[in-house]
Amino acid sequence: QIQLVQSGPELKKPGETVKISCKASGYTFTDYSMHWVKQAPGKGLKWMGWINTETGEPTYADDFKGRFAFSLETSTITAYLRINNLKNEDTATYFCARRWSYGHYPFDYWGQGTILTVSS
Amino acid sequence: DIQMTQSPASLSASVGETVPITCRASENIYSYLAWYQQKQGKSPQLLVYNAKTLAEGVPSRFSGSGSGTQFSLKINSLQPEDFGNYYCQHHYGTPYTFGGGTKLEIK
Repeated sequence: QIQLVQSGPELKKPGETVKISCKASGYTFTDYSMHWVKQAPGKGLKWMGWINTETGEPTYADDFKGRFAFSLETSTITAYLRINNLKNEDTATYFCARRWSYGHYPFDYWGQGTILTVSS
Repeated sequence: DIQMTQSPASLSASVGETVPITCRASENIYSYLAWYQQKQGKSPQLLVYNAKTLAEGVPSRFSGSGSGTQFSLKINSLQPEDFGNYYCQHHYGTPYTFGGGTKLEIK
């Protein structure tokens, strides 16, 4: 069955780097783009951007340009979110979600979320 | 960027009631509107897309309507398992903006 399985919770200090993974299974990886969504504690959903799973080209929402990087490892069908120079405000749950690449479609499958806590 | 405004921010309703949630887009998104349900500590689940198409496995008591800039999600005959947060999102193009969310509590 279709699954997006994310890596486990992370506890980091300000200034450190974190890399969150999202392993896909059960479908043709390159037919769907991979998106990342941030949810701060008690807050709503915020789209961070996406990565083209055919070309590996990332696109970032305006608020996520600079310290954030999306990448792929096609051999393991895994997408990654790296956040550099962590700040307290990066504390959130991060979700990966897939979207059919050919047309205007929603996010139909989501990972279970990775909780990131940034604290000194 | 397209802004999505959702209302109400919260509501409390009894089992069996009909509940409407509305979502307004800042510009025309045709019918490219999705609704998600999120329960505490879980990932969002797709309920409706293209404004009115139910996702696979979604009960028929959920229904979506609207086009252009005004949309609504209606839950008929509310069930206890329907509590949680509901988000609208346009899927017209990037950035894929979400509404602020509606917290639905069961009385």
